[in-house]
Amino acid sequence: DAGVTQSPTHLIKTRGQQVTLRCSPKSGHDTVSWYQQALGQGPQFIFQYYEEEERQRGNFPDRFSGHQFPNYSSELNVNALLLGDSALYLCASSFELEAYEQYFGPGTRLTVT
Amino acid sequence: SQQGEEDPQALSIQEGENATMNCSYKTSINNLQWYRQNSGRGLVHLILIRSNEREKHSGRLRVTLDTSKKSSSLLITASRAADTASYFCATRSGGSNYKLTFGKGTLLTVNP
Repeated sequence: DAGVTQSPTHLIKTRGQQVTLRCSPKSGHDTVSWYQQALGQGPQFIFQYYEEEERQRGNFPDRFSGHQFPNYSSELNVNALLLGDSALYLCASSFELEAYEQYFGPGTRLTVT
Repeated sequence: SQQGEEDPQALSIQEGENATMNCSYKTSINNLQWYRQNSGRGLVHLILIRSNEREKHSGRLRVTLDTSKKSSSLLITASRAADTASYFCATRSGGSNYKLTFGKGTLLTVNP
């Protein structure tokens, strides 16, 4: 039973560029959440997708957008990258009817130069 | 913004000793969860305690919750070198609030 997978593992981008990160949820899960974790900090909630719609958003600018596909996989897009966007991006999946426990992927380390 | 605040920020102990980490939070919660993170990679769910529970056990882990003080503690007994990691508490308010709000974490080092 595959857990949550994320791609790529590492990514280096230049300021102003755009990036797309991908997440496949754990088998049987239908809800995907994205978190940003800066160095030395706890994860910060970006948004959550359920039934292909964003149903809750954290305190992040519109440069951060996402998508959920019919197979429940998800993408996180960040436009006009800033140096401060350098972080570990974590995807977490859960099953709506048992939504309390979230399963996290290994993360994508994004470095903006 | 961070809801939980873990204490201490860093903890160094010897193998076999017990490790206790504390978490305080600000608003009312539906449940509180503890996660472990190794070397800045993905988080592993350890244990969930609901707001109407006071104590929960899982293997070598013991979690307590005091909603009147808005605090929780995680006890790891008979620690091992493999327990070396960062530990985070995360809260969920419930209802239509689906997000987990994390603290800054406690870095635990278990020396062999």
